[in-house]
Amino acid sequence: GAGVSQTPSNKVTEKGKYVELRCDPISGHTALYWYRQSLGQGPEFLIYFQGTGAADDSGLPNDRFFAVRPEGSVSTLKIQRTERGDSAVYLCASSPQGQSTGELFFGEGSRLTVL
Amino acid sequence: GNSVTQMEGPVTLSEEAFLTINCTYTATGYPSLFWYVQYPGEGLQLLLKATKADDKGSNKGFEATYRKETTSFHLEKGSVQVSDSAVYFCALSGNNFNKFYFGSGTKLNVKP
Repeated sequence: GAGVSQTPSNKVTEKGKYVELRCDPISGHTALYWYRQSLGQGPEFLIYFQGTGAADDSGLPNDRFFAVRPEGSVSTLKIQRTERGDSAVYLCASSPQGQSTGELFFGEGSRLTVL
Repeated sequence: GNSVTQMEGPVTLSEEAFLTINCTYTATGYPSLFWYVQYPGEGLQLLLKATKADDKGSNKGFEATYRKETTSFHLEKGSVQVSDSAVYFCALSGNNFNKFYFGSGTKLNVKP
């Protein structure tokens, strides 16, 4: 069974550009999370999906950040007008619906560098 | 609010040494507590967890006890191996597991 897959693994872009980061969760996992990890820091919550809907987007830093999950599987994190401060590793995680263990299954992350 | 504080690294130990990585938390309500580990080149993975006070989580020789009175969840291992070299993250979540709060991570280096 495949784990959580994130693409691209590395993305270098220029300030002001638009970026999309993709997450393919484990098949059958209905919960999906996006986190951001800056250098030397732990993962910081961005958004949580249950199925197709964003159940909690309180961690999105501003309106330049947006995420979708139209069919309840693959999710895309979209960043408009990128800034140098957006440089970080963006992590995606998934978990089965209704599970009580609280275990998150993480991908290896997409490293974003904004020049 | 919710937050996790863990000891800064890196921690460097010789093989078979005793390991402690301190973790304390601040939370509203009754959180669940976790240790995640990130091996080089891999994604974070769950190491162990505890969901209520006085519970002990254990896995791969690692242990941590949920101490409500000291708001702590320290990670311990009696005899570390080179293969334990990794970054360890303490985390907490509410009981609905919608949002997790992570510490800043502690890098462990184990030398032969």
